[in-house]
Amino acid sequence: DAKTTQPTSMDCAEGRAANLPCNHSTISGNEYVYWYRQIHSQGPQYIIHGLKNNETNEMASLIITEDRKSSTLILPHATLRDTAVYYCIVGYGQGAQKLVFGQGTRLTINP
Amino acid sequence: DAGVIQSPRHEVTEMGQEVTLRCKPISGHDYLFWYRQTMMRGLELLIYFNNNVPIDDSGMPEDRFSAKMPNASFSTLKIQPSEPRDSAVYFCASSVKLGTDTQYFGPGTRLTVL
Repeated sequence: DAKTTQPTSMDCAEGRAANLPCNHSTISGNEYVYWYRQIHSQGPQYIIHGLKNNETNEMASLIITEDRKSSTLILPHATLRDTAVYYCIVGYGQGAQKLVFGQGTRLTINP
Repeated sequence: DAGVIQSPRHEVTEMGQEVTLRCKPISGHDYLFWYRQTMMRGLELLIYFNNNVPIDDSGMPEDRFSAKMPNASFSTLKIQPSEPRDSAVYFCASSVKLGTDTQYFGPGTRLTVL
């Protein structure tokens, strides 16, 4: 599986956009980029995933660079409830279910 | 839908005892995963099933750990005998087969082995 690199921690002010970077320079052509988050003491929660194109859903936006070697998760208007550890994961799409979680980025939203 | 259900939520046991963790996946999901999370090692995949059949158990730490899925709505993770280093939060997750690899996680079981 491709390896990802994320900053250990980040801070963001409430109401501002939180931009979480992820490097995945060894990603292969058919591997997806997934983002999950884990709020303290809860199970991880799926946020978004993408292959090549930018993606947006009700939770976040995912921007993938053209060479696919890095991506950014954007929480457009961060709230205190967005404080969590965010995991960037690369894995194959349909048919291969094994996701490998790294250490993630601990995002703290400050009032 | 109630989501993935795990029981018990907390388990405290003594070294050498048998521990059984239980999971009920979301109805209609064909994949079931068992993960373990510790401060030292993070979130690790232990084993996963497809249609009740174990597909990859390479993450199971040793023979003391075993997992079963007797039917589509129930799975167990058993540790026998338990050791203090098994203390961790154990998560169960499930996902559908087609279209997405989104995994839905349960609330976890916090296991403490004294």
